[in-house]
Amino acid sequence: AQSVTQPDIHITVSEGASLELRCNYSYGATPYLFWYVQSPGQGLQLLLKYFSGDTLVQGIKGFEAEFKRSQSSFNLRKPSVHWSDAAEYFCAVGRNSGNTPLVFGKGTRLSVIA
Amino acid sequence: EPEVTQTPSHQVTQMGQEVILRCVPISNHLYFYWYRQILGQKVEFLVSFYNNEISEKSEIFDDQFSVERPDGSNFTLKIRSTKLEDSAMYFCASREMTDPYSPLHFGNGTRLTVT
Repeated sequence: AQSVTQPDIHITVSEGASLELRCNYSYGATPYLFWYVQSPGQGLQLLLKYFSGDTLVQGIKGFEAEFKRSQSSFNLRKPSVHWSDAAEYFCAVGRNSGNTPLVFGKGTRLSVIA
Repeated sequence: EPEVTQTPSHQVTQMGQEVILRCVPISNHLYFYWYRQILGQKVEFLVSFYNNEISEKSEIFDDQFSVERPDGSNFTLKIRSTKLEDSAMYFCASREMTDPYSPLHFGNGTRLTVT
């Protein structure tokens, strides 16, 4: 069965600083990996996804993530954080079939300070 | 951009009562899902629905839960007799059929409070 671990519950960064949110997954085959963001009172918005090919994927809002099979990781990065990036970030893994329910991590809450 | 819409945004109910959470998926999407998020915990899969039947469900989705697509646009989650532990944010999601790798599109959720 798939599982996702986000080891950081809460991260605080200064505006303009770089960001890396960690995600480790467990899945026997090639995973489909996603990062979603949830702003307060909002639903889950897809930031980016990885299925195959280039292991560095670009997403919306200046985010990127790198798939590292050897480390079973899919860490999310942003070179310069904006105050509007403060939100909850969820990593998710899906099976490599069409109609696949996602398994989510517990999320990492990002706070941005001036 | 088309959105998944959910109503109501917040529902308060008494223990033992039935609730129906409503969702309008994106119009050309054919796979539908319900997820829930208990406060402070992870987002958990409940059920997926395709071609007017449940295609997969989790162990959370017991006999107290049911889903229905009563017409061409709505997708509902019913909890027959609510328990305190059903208090959570419930998210509806949909996915288009033609692209098997298309991501889920989530609604803004319904916060269910059982008292």
